[in-house]
Amino acid sequence: SQQGEEDPQALSIQEGENATMNCSYKTSINNLQWYRQNSGRGLVHLILIRSNEREKHSGRLRVTLDTSKKSSSLLITASRAADTASYFCATMNTGFQKLVFGTGTRLLVSP
Amino acid sequence: EAGVAQSPRYKIIEKRQSVAFWCNPISGHATLYWYQQILGQGPKLLIQFQNNGVVDDSQLPKDRFSAERLKGVDSTLKIQPAKLEDSAVYLCASSLVPDQGQYFGPGTRLTVL
Repeated sequence: SQQGEEDPQALSIQEGENATMNCSYKTSINNLQWYRQNSGRGLVHLILIRSNEREKHSGRLRVTLDTSKKSSSLLITASRAADTASYFCATMNTGFQKLVFGTGTRLLVSP
Repeated sequence: EAGVAQSPRYKIIEKRQSVAFWCNPISGHATLYWYQQILGQGPKLLIQFQNNGVVDDSQLPKDRFSAERLKGVDSTLKIQPAKLEDSAVYLCASSLVPDQGQYFGPGTRLTVL
């Protein structure tokens, strides 16, 4: 079963713009992770944020987590054409060690 | 470091045939996962190993799917007999410990005719 739901399902922007994707989930979590998938490099882990953290940065990526609203957002700043991919959030539930993926956001960055 | 290796990359079979996929995780990674990803969906965990032991196989269709991880390293996933709805990409992943990020292999695209 899919735990997270990403919003929007698809996003189209121009190079240089920022892209924001949201993820909502249903149960208490240990951590939340974001992955990117494209045809060239497969599925790649981007960033992990734990339930006791509110914000995390990695390069042009910024992730926030609001456990009271059971939601997370991924911000990609100054997007590039190479950022074109599907982005998935995945949650690891409290007490489990299983990762459950959402349905993904398809991002298209046009030159 | 070498990534997660999978083979074959592509496989086409007819329904009711059997198929096997192989995975070699990153050296030293104790946790190994097999996922099924149907077109347009996120990956779904089929089975998770911690060293040789199975941690979770709750979503593995055990009447037709089986997996093993011998000596805590390589793993194979088998489908017998295959059904049309098994057409998907089968992804193998590994991690040092379960609550860290996972490293994925390139996947095997299975088409069942």
